[in-house]
Amino acid sequence: SAVISQKPSRDICQRGTSLTIQCQVDSQVTMMFWYRQQPGQSLTLIATANQGSEATYESGFVIDKFPISRPNLTFSTLTVSNMSPEDSSIYLCSVRSGNYNEQFFGPGTRLTVL
Amino acid sequence: GDSVTQMEGPVTLSEEAFLTINCTYTATGYPSLFWYVQYPGEGLQLLLKATKADDKGSNKGFEATYRKETTSFHLEKGSVQVSDSAVYFCALINTGTASKLTFGTGTRLQVTL
Repeated sequence: SAVISQKPSRDICQRGTSLTIQCQVDSQVTMMFWYRQQPGQSLTLIATANQGSEATYESGFVIDKFPISRPNLTFSTLTVSNMSPEDSSIYLCSVRSGNYNEQFFGPGTRLTVL
Repeated sequence: GDSVTQMEGPVTLSEEAFLTINCTYTATGYPSLFWYVQYPGEGLQLLLKATKADDKGSNKGFEATYRKETTSFHLEKGSVQVSDSAVYFCALINTGTASKLTFGTGTRLQVTL
């Protein structure tokens, strides 16, 4: 399995500001994913980030709001831009590895926007 | 499209009780099936998986069998502990599509003494 770390683990931010979340993996992976988990809800895929190409965003998510970088095979960042209270969620980084499409998740970043 | 349906929670059980959390799916082709667990304040952990019909995934006393005829992947444990209190997510990846992980809505389990 892959070991994934995220920074920060939590943050409280003011409306209108931006926060960049970092995701570090202990091995090289092709596919990295960013998810949002709103309070009490299941996970929603924001985008897929493959190294060397633009991230692919899901319906309802746009690059201007959630810019993503993927500079190498072990690292990615997600920025939550121009935040509002509705962006208060847990943001999780995830990677796909193994022979059976196993997907592993980081510990998450708990974001509160005031 | 692909979808996963889980029984609604919360499920409240006494310690040492038998647990079943129902999960059914809709997918074309031959998906791989997973159960994830999310303990309070933590991220998701892969609990177990099954990649083909009649496979049984197991881990930490939990089991689930891939039933293609009923499109189900129910999670079971013979004797739950207080430490099993968490939210459990059923999920699938369909290799015939764009390989996106599709989640159920999650089922909260609360185990009491």
